[in-house]
Amino acid sequence: QQPVQSPQAVILREGEDAVINCSSSKALYSVHWYRQKHGEAPVFLMILLKGGEQKGHEKISASFNEKKQQSSLYLTASQLSYSGTYFCGTGDDKIIFGKGTRLHILP
Amino acid sequence: DAGVIQSPRHEVTEMGQEVTLRCKPISGHNSLFWYRQTMMRGLELLIYFNNNVPIDDSGMPEDRFSAKMPNASFSTLKIQPSEPRDSAVYFCASSRQGSGRMNTEAFFGQGTRLTVV
Repeated sequence: QQPVQSPQAVILREGEDAVINCSSSKALYSVHWYRQKHGEAPVFLMILLKGGEQKGHEKISASFNEKKQQSSLYLTASQLSYSGTYFCGTGDDKIIFGKGTRLHILP
Repeated sequence: DAGVIQSPRHEVTEMGQEVTLRCKPISGHNSLFWYRQTMMRGLELLIYFNNNVPIDDSGMPEDRFSAKMPNASFSTLKIQPSEPRDSAVYFCASSRQGSGRMNTEAFFGQGTRLTVV
């Protein structure tokens, strides 16, 4: 079951904050967040596991509400380098990705 | 480590021809995934292997697609015969799964851009 991401696209000015949401219709074991720049491969940002464990880059923060089967990725004080498409992925033994959220940062 | 290596990076072929995409996962990783990415459908999981065994191929679009993993360091995705609607970027990813669950990150290769004319 593919997770649903919102919003589909965001345009920010450098320094502004953004929140990207991900929800699933089934119980989640883990939520994965990746960022993909144009013409490149997806790159790992963070994984959140059932029970509260998180692994990822220090400058990235995210939340995981197991009861609501939702996760949110928080991008604070955005930089130009944050531009790209953000994917959330869910699954037990594999990752099923949502359709992505396109983030564009203006100088 | 060189990361996940895919070849070729670009492939242009004529409709009806056989296409073989190749992937070398990161050494020590026990799970391998094939994804297809298009504008319309996003990043779709086609098939995944665990310890060289195909576990879930429900994402393979039709019988024209087949995948193998003869050993821990090599996998192929074959399309025969190819059609224009197969044009996409195909990614291979690998990870070190624990207890049969995705509790670690997946590393993606640079992808193969396939164009079928």
